[in-house]
Amino acid sequence: KNQVEQSPQSLIILEGKNCTLQCNYTVSPFSNLRWYKQDTGRGPVSLTIMTFSENTKSNGRYTATLDADTKQSSLHITASQLSDSASYICVVSSDNNAGNMLTFGGGTRLMVKP
Amino acid sequence: EAGVAQSPRYKIIEKRQSVAFWCNPISGHATLYWYQQILGQGPKLLIQFQNNGVVDDSQLPKDRFSAERLKGVDSTLKIQPAKLEDSAVYLCASSLVGLTYGYTFGSGTRLTVV
Repeated sequence: KNQVEQSPQSLIILEGKNCTLQCNYTVSPFSNLRWYKQDTGRGPVSLTIMTFSENTKSNGRYTATLDADTKQSSLHITASQLSDSASYICVVSSDNNAGNMLTFGGGTRLMVKP
Repeated sequence: EAGVAQSPRYKIIEKRQSVAFWCNPISGHATLYWYQQILGQGPKLLIQFQNNGVVDDSQLPKDRFSAERLKGVDSTLKIQPAKLEDSAVYLCASSLVGLTYGYTFGSGTRLTVV
């Protein structure tokens, strides 16, 4: 069964600090891994997309890493801002005969405090 | 490029009433998805369309939920009759056929069943 697990479930940090969110997956066949940011009451917005051959990808203060051997990914947020308070969802995509399938993690709820 | 449009943004209904949600995908996106996201959890796929055909509806509670995508563009998701546990955000997403890139989510409809 395809699964995506994220940790921690929730995190509180002070403004300006860095943090790292974790994502472990068992999805086959693997196509790509995405990190989404979801503000309360809004739909998820894509931060990064990585394929099997990519180890790291940055989007501003967000840097995602992927270790396809251990099936782990991380999202590092540098110099956090109050606006980073949101849920961060790891999503793994799989292409099979039935088409495209996304497996969602449960998300990490991040709160950045002043 | 315009994003995925959803309406309404919010809806409050009493249990046993009916409700319908509407989604307009990005122009040219043949694949359309409806997700249910319960508070604090990742989205759960309800149904996937490719053009106006259903690809996957294995997790759709067919006794009360129905969805259609006439003419392969707009889609509606209906719940009849609603239960308290249907309270959630209903997200619509669209993507190009055969590609796992380019997934775009709408802002969602927050449903509260009282």
